Amino acid sequence: DAGVIQSPRHEVTEMGQEVTLRCKPISGHNSLFWYRQTMMRGLELLIYFNNNVPIDDSGMPEDRFSAKMPNASFSTLKIQPSEPRDSAVYFCASSSGDLNTGELFFGEGSRLTVL
Amino acid sequence: GNSVTQMEGPVTLSEEAFLTINCTYTATGYPSLFWYVQYPGEGLQLLLKATKADDKGSNKGFEATYRKETTSFHLEKGSVQVSDSAVYFCATVGTANYGQNFVFGPGTRLSVLP
Repeated sequence: DAGVIQSPRHEVTEMGQEVTLRCKPISGHNSLFWYRQTMMRGLELLIYFNNNVPIDDSGMPEDRFSAKMPNASFSTLKIQPSEPRDSAVYFCASSSGDLNTGELFFGEGSRLTVL
Repeated sequence: GNSVTQMEGPVTLSEEAFLTINCTYTATGYPSLFWYVQYPGEGLQLLLKATKADDKGSNKGFEATYRKETTSFHLEKGSVQVSDSAVYFCATVGTANYGQNFVFGPGTRLSVLP
C-alpha cells in the first residue's frame, strides 16, 4: 500500500518565485498535517486539516503561505512570494482516528532551496 | 498544553554500546507517548509507543517504559548498530481547541561509529 506521497522531492527556486508543494495522503486517512523542518527551529507544525477542513493554521508563518485540501486525496502548500528564509524540508503527514491510539505517517519530504 | 523535553545531543557511540536518550513530558491526564525515528533523507516513522502508564513499547531492539511517577519515557537499546544512526524524536499527543495534535521534542541526533 502506498504511503504518503509528496512532490517535488527537491526544488530550487529564486527569491520572489511561487512555490507549490503537493501531498497525497494515505487513502482513508482523515487528518493531514504540514510540517516544516530546519536545523534552527526543528520540526514545526504549519497547518492541520481534518476531513479536508483547515482546523488550525496558527503555525503558518505569514500571509505568503497558504494551504488547501480540495478533496480527501490531495493537498497543496503554496508560498508566494518565496524568500531565502523559507528554505527547509517540508513534510506532509496523515493519520486516521484517535492520535492516542493511531500513528502519524510521514511522507519523504520536499526539500526547498530559495536562492 | 502538553509538552516533551529530550536531550538534544548529538550523541556519538561506538557500535555495540548501550544507548539511553532521555525524554520527560508534561501533560494533562495520561496521553500516549511515542518515539519516532528519522533516517537520513527520509520522513519520520514510528519506532514505538506506549498508551498508558507502566506500558513498555519495544521495536527493533529499542525499548521505552511509560513512567508516570517520573513523567519519563526514556529510549534505550542494549547494543547499537551503525544502521541506528538517525535522529530520534520523543512525542506525545496534545489537546488543542480544535482537537488533537502531536507534540514533538527537538530531536536527538545519534551517530554510531564502527
